[in-house]
Amino acid sequence: DAKTTQPPSMDCAEGRAANLPCNHSTISGNEYVYWYRQIHSQGPQYIIHGLKNNETNEMASLIITEDRKSSTLILPHATLRDTAVYYCIGYSGNTPLVFGKGTRLSVIA
Amino acid sequence: GAVVSQHPSWVICKSGTSVKIECRSLDFQATTMFWYRQFPKQSLMLMATSNEGSKATYEQGVEKDKFLINHASLTLSTLTVTSAHPEDSSFYICSARGTISGEKLFFGSGTQLSVL
Repeated sequence: DAKTTQPPSMDCAEGRAANLPCNHSTISGNEYVYWYRQIHSQGPQYIIHGLKNNETNEMASLIITEDRKSSTLILPHATLRDTAVYYCIGYSGNTPLVFGKGTRLSVIA
Repeated sequence: GAVVSQHPSWVICKSGTSVKIECRSLDFQATTMFWYRQFPKQSLMLMATSNEGSKATYEQGVEKDKFLINHASLTLSTLTVTSAHPEDSSFYICSARGTISGEKLFFGSGTQLSVL
């Protein structure tokens, strides 16, 4: 799995957009960019994934650079319940997910 | 999305006893299940991979005789921590991939094990 680099922590004001960056410069052509989050004392929750094109679902948007070396997860209107650790993972589907340290997002009222 | 149920949510046991954790895929057939362990303020660490009907594959440093994994059906995998010791206290999480999830992995809610 591709190694990813994320900032250890970020703050975001409630109601504002949260933009979480991820560098994955070693990602290979068949590896998707997956995002999961883990709220304290719970199992990880799938958010979104993409290969080349930007993606959007009911939870978030994923913006992937054209060279696929980095991406940004966007939570359009962060709420207190979005406080969690967010993991960006390069994943081809043939192996387990390997988790890095992620970004601890704190949404502040 | 697909539902993975993990039971129990938490368990306290005495040192030397064995504890079984169950992981069930409720609405899909899980051809592959993964078991992770997470210590406080750390990330998830993969322990083992199990395919239905096959022996589990353990990550380096994980004792297969201590952490027994059974994946006898397409909807159930179990992790048994044998002769548990205080250092085995951790948050254990299962995940599953299968017939409707594609490449996506869905995770159970985790089991907090405390060994006294």
